[in-house]
Amino acid sequence: DTAVSQTPKYLVTQMGNDKSIKCEQNLGHDTMYWYKQDSKKFLKIMFSYNNKELIINETVPNRFSPKSPDKAHLNLHINSLELGDSAVYFCASSQGSLRVGNQPQHFGDGTRLSIL
Amino acid sequence: QKEVEQDPGPLSVPEGAIVSLNCTYSNSAFQYFMWYRQYSRKGPELLMYTYSSGNKEDGRFTAQVDKSSKYISLFIRDSQPSDSATYLCALFSGGYNKLIFGAGTRLAVHP
Repeated sequence: DTAVSQTPKYLVTQMGNDKSIKCEQNLGHDTMYWYKQDSKKFLKIMFSYNNKELIINETVPNRFSPKSPDKAHLNLHINSLELGDSAVYFCASSQGSLRVGNQPQHFGDGTRLSIL
Repeated sequence: QKEVEQDPGPLSVPEGAIVSLNCTYSNSAFQYFMWYRQYSRKGPELLMYTYSSGNKEDGRFTAQVDKSSKYISLFIRDSQPSDSATYLCALFSGGYNKLIFGAGTRLAVHP
C-alpha cells in the first residue's frame, strides 16, 4: 500500500564504494524527485524527473547519477562515496509537472546513508 | 541571507497549548506556501498549502500568509502529544521551479 517506497532504509558502507538507492511510486504521478536532508534537517532538492525526463539538476557532484527507467521509478546511483555524502536521502513524487507549484509532494521514508 | 529562515527550536509546550510556528522569506516571487510535518524517521507529509495572503484553516491547524511582510505562520490549537514532530515550511516560485524548504522547527508537546 506504500505510496512512495525506497530501498534500502539503511545503508552503511565504506568510503570509495559505489551504491544505489531505489525508489518506486504507485500513485500514478508524473514527477519524481530526490532530496538530501543533512544532519541539521535541512532538506534540499537534488534532481527532478518528469515522465522520465530530467528537469532539475541542482549543483550536485557528478558522482550522483539519477536514472528513471519509467515514470514510476527513480533510482539514485552514487559513485566513489565520500564522508560528506552521509545524510538521509528522500524520494518524492507529485502529480503534473513541477511548474504547477501547488501539487503536493509525497515523500518516502528516506534512506539513511552512513559512510565509514 | 538564506532564502527562507525558520527557527529550528526546539519548542516545548504543554498539551492543550496554542503553538505558533513561523518562517520569513526574502524573495517576493514566492507564490505558494506550504507546511510539512515530519515525524522522526519518516518522510515529510503535507499539512497545509496556501496561495494568497490571509488565513486558511483545517481542523486544529491554521496557516497564515502575510506577503507584504514576507512572513508565514502555522498555528496549532489544542496541541496534542501526537503533534510532536518537526514542522517545515516550503515555498515555491515559478522562477525557481522547485520547493525551497526552511530548516524545520522541532516541536515537543508534553502531557
